[in-house]
Amino acid sequence: TQLLEQSPQFLSIQEGENLTVYCNSSSVFSSLQWYRQEPGEGPVLLVTVVTGGEVKKLKRLTFQFGDARKDSSLHITAAQPGDTGLYLCAGPWGGGSQGNLIFGKGTKLSVKP
Amino acid sequence: DVKVTQSSRYLVKRTGEKVFLECVQDMDHENMFWYRQDPGLGLRLIYFSYDVKMKEKGDIPEGYSVSREKKERFSLILESASTNQTSMYLCASSLVRPGNTIYFGEGSWLTVV
Repeated sequence: TQLLEQSPQFLSIQEGENLTVYCNSSSVFSSLQWYRQEPGEGPVLLVTVVTGGEVKKLKRLTFQFGDARKDSSLHITAAQPGDTGLYLCAGPWGGGSQGNLIFGKGTKLSVKP
Repeated sequence: DVKVTQSSRYLVKRTGEKVFLECVQDMDHENMFWYRQDPGLGLRLIYFSYDVKMKEKGDIPEGYSVSREKKERFSLILESASTNQTSMYLCASSLVRPGNTIYFGEGSWLTVV
């Protein structure tokens, strides 16, 4: 059983479109993180959300943490080819006391010019 | 600037060979991790270490071992490589604190033939 379910698994859109990807769990997380991984590279942290209902903006990216802290979403406005990559959500795992994370399987986004 | 360096980007090894993947971080982080990443399976934790000479099994430790003799260095060892260990291997590090950023290396692509 995957603790963090991400959807959709794949998304292919045209430049300028808006999109939302989701990260859902039946478990409560103290925080959730979003990473982006470009082809051939390691994941890089985009944001950490820690408070239920929190909304964080990073330029054209908007991240929301659910009120119950079981889910999160990432909304991209006017997507650009540079947004192409694998988007991963992650949350503290194994009690989280030592900084370990569990990852979702990711959403692979392709933005075509 | 934060840096996690993996010694080899691309390796090709024969079945049965002993394989060493080296990782060095320059941030004085307590935690270090080894993940493997496969299409459709996401990031899976192999082993992690929260201190020198300490190690904990992750989700898929079978066929792997690790060594952490110095704080900055974490090695992944495949005692006898098999074709099902062909994968992308990612090293990462973080501070010991829940919700902390995990910093990844660029990855090592291992092919076992």
